[in-house]
Amino acid sequence: GNSVTQMEGPVTLSEEAFLTINCTYTATGYPSLFWYVQYPGEGLQLLLKATKADDKGSNKGFEATYRKETTSFHLEKGSVQVSDSAVYFCALSPDSWGKLQFGAGTQVVVTP
Amino acid sequence: EAGVTQFPSHSVIEKGQTVTLRCDPISGHDNLYWYRRVMGKEIKFLLHFVKESKQDESGMPNNRFLAERTGGTYSTLKVQPAELEDSGVYFCASSSKAGGLNEQFFGPGTRLTVL
Repeated sequence: GNSVTQMEGPVTLSEEAFLTINCTYTATGYPSLFWYVQYPGEGLQLLLKATKADDKGSNKGFEATYRKETTSFHLEKGSVQVSDSAVYFCALSPDSWGKLQFGAGTQVVVTP
Repeated sequence: EAGVTQFPSHSVIEKGQTVTLRCDPISGHDNLYWYRRVMGKEIKFLLHFVKESKQDESGMPNNRFLAERTGGTYSTLKVQPAELEDSGVYFCASSSKAGGLNEQFFGPGTRLTVL
């Protein structure tokens, strides 16, 4: 079956540090891949997405590239801010109806 | 434009009681999804409505869970009777179209605690 595995948190880093959150997946076919973010007290928000191999999704300084050969979709940001503190979820959509399959989430804490 | 809203934000009930969660999607969104996150684990899909019809309910854990979407607008998720393992955060999401290309907009979630 389909699954998403992402690195466990919490990840604690200083402002302006480089952030990487690893995400790998198992799926049949060619799923769409997503990163969602949940800021404290809020619902999940779509951060970025990629729908086919080698696509790069980007938003708010975050990037992730759909790597079919390594079944990965790692999230990166070159210089984090305190406001990036949140829980980040990697997800895939295995079919045309859009239901999402999520990883366990990675909490990121950015300190001044 | 109002986002997805969920009610209540928190619910604390005793084992064996009944709880009903409500989700109001973004107006005009035909697709409505329910998910839940149990004890800090991954968020799991429960079911998907297209208008008032259940497109996919493969994630519903058992027959203690009943979801409805009368008239294709708001949706309710009833848990009867509640068990301890039902504790978690229940999220609702909506989208204008189905499919992986279309963004799902999530509500803030309902935190359910079963004692």
